[in-house]
Amino acid sequence: KQEVTQIPAALSVPEGENLVLNCSFTDSAIYNLQWFRQDPGKGLTSLLLIQSSQREQTSGRLNASLDKSSGRSTLYIAASQPGDSATYLCAVTQGGSEKLVFGKGTKLTVNP
Amino acid sequence: DTEVTQTPKHLVMGMTNKKSLKCEQHMGHRAMYWYKQKAKKPPELMFVYSYEKLSINESVPSRFSPECPNSSLLNLHLHALQPEDSALYLCASSPDGGTEAFFGQGTRLTVV
Repeated sequence: KQEVTQIPAALSVPEGENLVLNCSFTDSAIYNLQWFRQDPGKGLTSLLLIQSSQREQTSGRLNASLDKSSGRSTLYIAASQPGDSATYLCAVTQGGSEKLVFGKGTKLTVNP
Repeated sequence: DTEVTQTPKHLVMGMTNKKSLKCEQHMGHRAMYWYKQKAKKPPELMFVYSYEKLSINESVPSRFSPECPNSSLLNLHLHALQPEDSALYLCASSPDGGTEAFFGQGTRLTVV
């Protein structure tokens, strides 16, 4: 059974700092990995999707990497801003499955 | 248009009521999903429809009844719910099962 773990559970940083969020998964037979952002009481916003054959994806100040063999992904946020404050969720899809398996998320607070 | 629209945004219902949640997407996606999210927890999959057919039912109680009238619409019919069913209900869609998922803003359901 696939399990997804996100470390740390919460992170507080000053504005302008570069930061890394971590995601690990137990079964490396994934189809893809997706990073989401969730604001309190709101839905999920897709940030980046990495296919199993890819090593990284970039969008603006965000960069996500994937090491499938070791079961790890990182989300790098450059020059953090207070507007980046949210919960960041990592989710994987197994090959042949339609199901997203989520980690518990990292709650990020960026202080002005 | 990468939007998944859910209505209503908020719903309060009694335990004897019957209500429905609605979800709509016009991206031509062939897979649609219902997730349930309790406070401070990750989303949990309830149902998946693929090409308008129910492909996954995660052992959800029968008081939740999904319906996919056409490729753009997904409903969740609610009947005789319990207070513990209070949660944020999220709809998502993807081009095909297991590809990039796009989420709606959710319906905040309170059962009294």
